[in-house]
Amino acid sequence: SAVISQKPSRDICQRGTSLTIQCQVDSQVTMMFWYRQQPGQSLTLIATANQGSEATYESGFVIDKFPISRPNLTFSTLTVSNLSPEDSSIYLCSARQGGNEQYFGPGTRLTVT
Amino acid sequence: KQEVTQIPAALSVPEGENLVLNCSFTDSAIYNLQWFRQDPGKGLTSLLLIQSSQREQTSGRLNASLDKSSGRSTLYIAASQPGDSATYLCAVRGTGTASKLTFGTGTRLQVTL
Repeated sequence: SAVISQKPSRDICQRGTSLTIQCQVDSQVTMMFWYRQQPGQSLTLIATANQGSEATYESGFVIDKFPISRPNLTFSTLTVSNLSPEDSSIYLCSARQGGNEQYFGPGTRLTVT
Repeated sequence: KQEVTQIPAALSVPEGENLVLNCSFTDSAIYNLQWFRQDPGKGLTSLLLIQSSQREQTSGRLNASLDKSSGRSTLYIAASQPGDSATYLCAVRGTGTASKLTFGTGTRLQVTL
């Protein structure tokens, strides 16, 4: 299994600013993902973080708003830019090795004021 | 497009009762199906993974079944305990190791004393 940590665990940010979330996996993984969970909702995939290349974004999510980095096989960052109250959500990092089980981090709770 | 539905949306049972959570999906061409548990404000904990070639998986008091042809999975929890109270999510992955998870809407379970 993979153990995933995220930093920060929560943050309160002002409108118009940005927040960068870090995700660290305790082992090398082929696939890393970023999800958003809005209050009372299920998970929505934002993008797949590709090592050494640009992330693959899902419909409705764009790089300018959610820039993602993945410099190696164990680490990724998600930045949520130009924050608005609608960005208040839990952001979850996830990882998978090949075709196997997918694991999730503890999440980052973002509140935008 | 894959759609995943979970019934019921919420469930309250007395401690000790056996219960079944249901998950249905529209596209039977899946690679695997995974059941997760989410505690309030937390990340997801993987409970069981069923590959498309399997019919069921067991872990302790949990048993998950898969009927791919009918697009259904069930999660059976035996002898429920208050610590089982959480939201349970099922997620299906399409064919191909690079494909993404599609999540259901979740079942919120409360086990009362």
